[in-house]
Amino acid sequence: NAGVTQTPKFRVLKTGQSMTLLCAQDMNHEYMYWYRQDPGMGLRLIHYSVGEGTTAKGEVPDGYNVSRLKKQNFLLGLESAAPSQTSVYFCASSTLTQGSEQFFGPGTRLTVL
Amino acid sequence: SQQGEEDPQALSIQEGENATMNCSYKTSINNLQWYRQNSGRGLVHLILIRSNEREKHSGRLRVTLDTSKKSSSLLITASRAADTASYFCATDAYNQGGKLIFGQGTELSVKP
Repeated sequence: NAGVTQTPKFRVLKTGQSMTLLCAQDMNHEYMYWYRQDPGMGLRLIHYSVGEGTTAKGEVPDGYNVSRLKKQNFLLGLESAAPSQTSVYFCASSTLTQGSEQFFGPGTRLTVL
Repeated sequence: SQQGEEDPQALSIQEGENATMNCSYKTSINNLQWYRQNSGRGLVHLILIRSNEREKHSGRLRVTLDTSKKSSSLLITASRAADTASYFCATDAYNQGGKLIFGQGTELSVKP
């Protein structure tokens, strides 16, 4: 099993450009999450999904959109990138059990110039 | 705002010593989890302790939970250079619908 994978690993964007980050999991998990990690800030939840076709806002959702068309995939979109979105983005998944452990992907390092 | 506050922010010890990291949180929880992150990698789950548990062990890890003080500690015994990483606590709070809220982490450096 590959677990949780993320594409791409690195990306550099110019301000105003758009992009989509892809997260895929092969563990048949119901819950999926997108976090951003900034120095000294820990992980902050951007959006999450409790099942195929459902999404919800997390702590810092502004400037991002998500879609969960298939159970195994969770996409994070930046419509118009800003320098403040320079960060490392992590995807995670977990089982249906509330508050269960989360399995993380390796991260995507995004720089917005 | 962050639910978990970790202390210390950074810790440097010699191989063989014990490392203790602390986490404090603000609201009532269902469980508290500890994660490890090696440099440039994703987080890896270490241990979960439920609100009705006071202590839990896993190999060289010992976690305690004091719900009256809203705090937890992670003890790594007989540390190794390979334990060098950042350690995060994460809380599953009553009113968060199963979402985890992460602390800012403790950066542990174990010198050989």
